[in-house]
Amino acid sequence: AQTVTQSQPEMSVQEAETVTLSCTYDTSESDYYLFWYKQPPSRQMILVIRQEAYKQQNATENRFSVNFQKAAKSFSLKISDSQLGDAAMYFCAYRDMNRDDKIIFGKGTRLHILP
Amino acid sequence: NAGVTQTPKFQVLKTGQSMTLQCAQDMNHEYMSWYRQDPGMGLRLIHYSVGAGITDQGEVPNGYNVSRSTTEDFPLRLLSAAPSQTSVYFCASSYVERTEQFFGPGTRLTVL
Repeated sequence: AQTVTQSQPEMSVQEAETVTLSCTYDTSESDYYLFWYKQPPSRQMILVIRQEAYKQQNATENRFSVNFQKAAKSFSLKISDSQLGDAAMYFCAYRDMNRDDKIIFGKGTRLHILP
Repeated sequence: NAGVTQTPKFQVLKTGQSMTLQCAQDMNHEYMSWYRQDPGMGLRLIHYSVGAGITDQGEVPNGYNVSRSTTEDFPLRLLSAAPSQTSVYFCASSYVERTEQFFGPGTRLTVL
């Protein structure tokens, strides 16, 4: 069965600095999607970035980028120029391309932004 | 376009009571799912559906029932609530083509 591991339960970063959140996953599939979701105190789940496994190029969305290492099964999220509004819980998620379409989430990393 | 809606936002039950958490989406998504979120556990899949009339179990299905009679609605039923079901419940939907899921605002359920 697929698993997603986020090894950092909490992290802190100084405002305007760069921080990297780690995520590893285990799968025997070759085609799949990976996601990072943000959950602020409002509890709403917000998609941050998405990566297709068949694409070698790392996805980027403004200050957010990923380092996707398919062979190592690693999918880290880099946040540049951290802002106070980035403080949230971040979840890494995996979705395979089998018919059942289940999405598996990691346990999350709580990110604190220090002013 | 309301997206994914969930009702109620908060609910308190006594042990043994039953209730239904409602979820609806207006994006014509085939795929819908229910998760529960507990501290330190991330989001765990309860049940999911890939279309009307089709449902399947996720990681933690015990104590919950679902049905999918229409594309829009995917209610989650607790037949006999237990304190272990105290949690935040999220409904989510997406197209089947492996795109990202859209989440509802969540329901905080407390079972006394």
